[in-house]
Amino acid sequence: EVQLVESGGGLVKPGGSLRVSCAASGFTFSNAWMSWVRQAPGKGLEWVGRIKRKIDGETADYAAPGKGRFTISRDDSKNILYLQMNSLKAEDTAVYYCARDHEGGYDQWGQGTLVTVSS
Amino acid sequence: DVVMTQSPLSLPVTLGQPASISCRSSQSLVYIDGNTYLSWFQQRPGQSPRRLIYRVSQRDSGVPDRFSGSGSGTDFTLKISRVEAEDVGVYYCMQGTHWYTFGQGTKLEIK
Repeated sequence: EVQLVESGGGLVKPGGSLRVSCAASGFTFSNAWMSWVRQAPGKGLEWVGRIKRKIDGETADYAAPGKGRFTISRDDSKNILYLQMNSLKAEDTAVYYCARDHEGGYDQWGQGTLVTVSS
Repeated sequence: DVVMTQSPLSLPVTLGQPASISCRSSQSLVYIDGNTYLSWFQQRPGQSPRRLIYRVSQRDSGVPDRFSGSGSGTDFTLKISRVEAEDVGVYYCMQGTHWYTFGQGTKLEIK
């Protein structure tokens, strides 16, 4: 059974940093492109960024709001996806989901982890 | 950036009746490989999103056949042939041709 389990969310002050993780199981993680998608409270879904698999260069791309502040990385030996978030702002408050890319969409989602940016 | 516009944003439906959601993109979603990367997701209250449809009309495994997707270019539609109580939630279209963009969401409720 495919599972994606996020962790690491919490309360952080504006300007602070946080790293959230996503533990994958039930599929060959190293073969997958993976993404982060967020959802602010009561709002819609927003793409955060994506990382390709190693054989495709393991490059990461980001949506405009997180460019220069967010970094996506992966550890294929541990089957873990990371999202490092720096210089956090109140508008980054959201549930952060990891998701597996498939055919230009996401066929598997985690349960999400809540990140709250507040003083 | 590609903008995805859904309508309606609120959709009250009687049980057993059909429902339809429209999604329009600000530019063509046909990729250089000839595929159109348009997906539909359902998000039930308190749950993570779940994909229903990918590449316009391909139903994901385990998705009831009362859900269908159609369209081309910039205009797409999700149809539910007979709405059931478990279909309550918010539905999103998403394009994966020019990076990734979601529609605003359509809230389906039972009348």
